[in-house]
Amino acid sequence: EIVLTQSPATLSLSPGDRATLSCRASQSVRRYLAWYQQKPGQAPRLLIYDASTRATGIPARFSGSGSGTDFTLTISSLEPDDFAVYYCQHRTNWPYTFGQGSKLDIK
Amino acid sequence: QVHLVQSGADVKKPGASVKVSCKASGYTFTGHAMHWVRQAPGQRLEWMGWINPGNGNTEYSQKLQGRVTITSDTSATTVYMELNSLRSEDTAVYYCARDRFASGDFDFWGQGTLVTVSS
Repeated sequence: EIVLTQSPATLSLSPGDRATLSCRASQSVRRYLAWYQQKPGQAPRLLIYDASTRATGIPARFSGSGSGTDFTLTISSLEPDDFAVYYCQHRTNWPYTFGQGSKLDIK
Repeated sequence: QVHLVQSGADVKKPGASVKVSCKASGYTFTGHAMHWVRQAPGQRLEWMGWINPGNGNTEYSQKLQGRVTITSDTSATTVYMELNSLRSEDTAVYYCARDRFASGDFDFWGQGTLVTVSS
């Protein structure tokens, strides 16, 4: 089973700041990595798939990069609505697994 | 537009079974696989398995193999997830999630169903 480790666990920033979240895989997942945003009491929302492709309707301030074992989600200028928990997920083989999440909160 | 509507919260005793439904609308039901993902309190999301409603093929997480069954009813455009021999560790929010395009990532999600296992 591929283990995904996210860092940092919590990131405290202000609106307008740039956020950089990391996801590291225990073995190569090629580019088969997705990012999701989850707010309290809501289902996750797909942001990025295949490491760098934005899902439909996702603003351009969200971008993804990486391949192999190291991936990054960047939010270029934080909006108040962006403060949430972010998860990475691979789809290389079964079982698909998720990272433990990074919480982005308001400083 | 795509909607996935799940059945309501449930409380079960240890050893019992639970069946959660996920009614899909707004797209061709047989054109996308459906996955089930759960989230226990304070834990990461956990993939449980998926079904191809077009042919009924399934795949399950090895961790849950033997306890979980995913089925679909194409006439009702509904997918079901049944989990047997429930334990307290199965207390979680259960989500159905549509496969984006034979891809293994999830572009639409149900609202979630809280299943509580307690004596």
